[in-house]
Amino acid sequence: DTGVSQDPRHKITKRGQNVTFRCDPISEHNRLYWYRQTLGQGPEFLTYFQNEAQLEKSRLLSDRFSAERPKGSFSTLEIQRTEQGDSAMYLCASSLGLGGSYNEQFFGPGTRLTVL
Amino acid sequence: QKEVEQNSGPLSVPEGAIASLNCTYSDRGSQSFFWYRQYSGKSPELIMFIYSNGDKEDGRFTAQLNKASQYVSLLIRDSQPSDSATYLCAVNSGLTGYSSASKIIFGSGTRLSIRP
Repeated sequence: DTGVSQDPRHKITKRGQNVTFRCDPISEHNRLYWYRQTLGQGPEFLTYFQNEAQLEKSRLLSDRFSAERPKGSFSTLEIQRTEQGDSAMYLCASSLGLGGSYNEQFFGPGTRLTVL
Repeated sequence: QKEVEQNSGPLSVPEGAIASLNCTYSDRGSQSFFWYRQYSGKSPELIMFIYSNGDKEDGRFTAQLNKASQYVSLLIRDSQPSDSATYLCAVNSGLTGYSSASKIIFGSGTRLSIRP
């Protein structure tokens, strides 16, 4: 399977715990995006990378959230001291990022986080 | 005003008919526009993108763009029960559409139901 993969697919945690999610983009894609989606809403942008550089981070993102893409391949999203409001589907997407691209983004299956 | 607006629906269309989904956006500088389909509990799937005024056809799907009116639409011909899903309109708010690295802003989606 050469699509975007995410791990884990589901995560249940207690309030106050830290969680980390992983995303593996499509292999030739150099842009990687993180989104959060809650029920009845469209995906909400969190942050994105071009290769290993984090180029933009949403102003809505609290400092409890951090993302890395250390070697320009896979990325991790960490949420520290989780709150019940963090419960959502966390989506990763990747895009080609080269000439001829209009930034078509392809999504992974998502990680569903439930904070108890 | 939301950056990308869609009627939440549900939009109910008889099988075999044309389904028409609409979207408006607020950023006049937007360059590329996307339609994603999302089945319940799944991640968004890219079905069309468009960047020039006019129509773009792909199989049973036609995307229409009118930048002067800041309006994007998606037509689904010969609607099938398998088309029942939420359709997300998304807009690339980058400075330039070609090779843009900017985030995509999503609408909240229109729920489409195809009745047999």
